[in-house]
Amino acid sequence: LAKTTQPISMDSYEGQEVNITCSHNNIATNDYITWYQQFPSQGPRFIIQGYKTKVTNEVASLFIPADRKSSTLSLPRVSLSDTAVYYCLVGDGGSSNTGKLIFGQGTTLQVKP
Amino acid sequence: GAVVSQHPSWVICKSGTSVKIECRSLDFQATTMFWYRQFPKQSLMLMATSNEGSKATYEQGVEKDKFLINHASLTLSTLTVTSAHPEDSSFYICSATGTSGRRGTDTQYFGPGTRLTVL
Repeated sequence: LAKTTQPISMDSYEGQEVNITCSHNNIATNDYITWYQQFPSQGPRFIIQGYKTKVTNEVASLFIPADRKSSTLSLPRVSLSDTAVYYCLVGDGGSSNTGKLIFGQGTTLQVKP
Repeated sequence: GAVVSQHPSWVICKSGTSVKIECRSLDFQATTMFWYRQFPKQSLMLMATSNEGSKATYEQGVEKDKFLINHASLTLSTLTVTSAHPEDSSFYICSATGTSGRRGTDTQYFGPGTRLTVL
């Protein structure tokens, strides 16, 4: 079972770039890495997904080294509205083939003015 | 695209009653849906996985007779909390994927959640 480890919390200021690193030593060959954002009392929102190297979309970038044992979510120029919990997930690395995701504790990002 | 809705968004019920929560994929066909539970200040905990037309697969420690899951169509899954008790009060969230459920590649899209309060 692919387990992820992230910092429990991070602080930043408006306008700064924020990098959140996640380790996933047991990632399976076919697994992708997906990041979600969650605000209080809301369902998680998809941010970005990748397999290797770098992926970029309109809200974030995802950096994945060659060994894929970690990944870094990069949020450019954060604002107060980016204050949320960020979850890093990989597919089920066990023998099952259900595509289920196991959530870790996530990283609570606090953006200050 | 990839919108998932839940109904109701919140519900209050008396202890001993049953509550049904609906999860719908609005713009795609969801071959696999997942149900999670989240307590305050905690992460999401996967309860069960359901594939359209099949029985749900429950995670260890989740009572299948208490949390009845039905995935009768490609756009609708329901979770029924039977004989609810105060300890069942929680935030219930569903998610859906639109492919066969192969691991690692399918993006899960989440509903907005349902807040259940059992008095």
